[in-house]
Amino acid sequence: DTEVTQTPKHLVMGMTNKKSLKCEQHMGHRAMYWYKQKAKKPPELMFVYSYEKLSINESVPSRFSPECPNSSLLNLHLHALQPEDSALYLCASSHPGLRWAEKLFFGSGTQLSVL
Amino acid sequence: AQSVTQLDSQVPVFEEAPVELRCNYSSSVSVYLFWYVQYPNQGLQLLLKYLSGSTLVESINGFEAEFNKSQTSFHLRKPSVHISDTAEYFCAVSENNAGNMLTFGGGTRLMVKP
Repeated sequence: DTEVTQTPKHLVMGMTNKKSLKCEQHMGHRAMYWYKQKAKKPPELMFVYSYEKLSINESVPSRFSPECPNSSLLNLHLHALQPEDSALYLCASSHPGLRWAEKLFFGSGTQLSVL
Repeated sequence: AQSVTQLDSQVPVFEEAPVELRCNYSSSVSVYLFWYVQYPNQGLQLLLKYLSGSTLVESINGFEAEFNKSQTSFHLRKPSVHISDTAEYFCAVSENNAGNMLTFGGGTRLMVKP
């Protein structure tokens, strides 16, 4: 299994809603990432978990709350989002370590629309 | 801090023609370099990478890239493109002492026409 699975594929939510994005991998990777990608732009790193601990938070607003309940799962909890948060949210995983970046495996993403 | 510049936002090309997608980077330390491809409505897939050793790296589908340290470039080339190569291509860099930080360029949309 060499896949990173993200659910849901599409999500529409209002600004007062609470929702969660889910990401799962069974490759034994111990580093997992959330990226945000606006249309026609490159992915921007949001969070990195290494060995289930948050290691990087790229100054992301608190309305985005990541969670890594175990080595295979990564969640992104959403609350009180703004329309400008509409984007493709990509999850990725890799082996942590000296050459962690040797290969990132990306999911297909969740296309989020905030109304 | 590292940065990546992809000089062309769009590259239109006819099928079976050669193509070059340009990438330049800026860093004060040695780096790892990557090309990722993103097909419509999908995540990113690693196309090829330079970590060390030979400066010319190749992918399984005919793309190649050459690391040029003096010009701080990592241009992507293919001698003959197919319609199926139409996608967004991202160059990325990681400083090899920077832990989990990967910086992407702005992307180049390759549009292959019949």
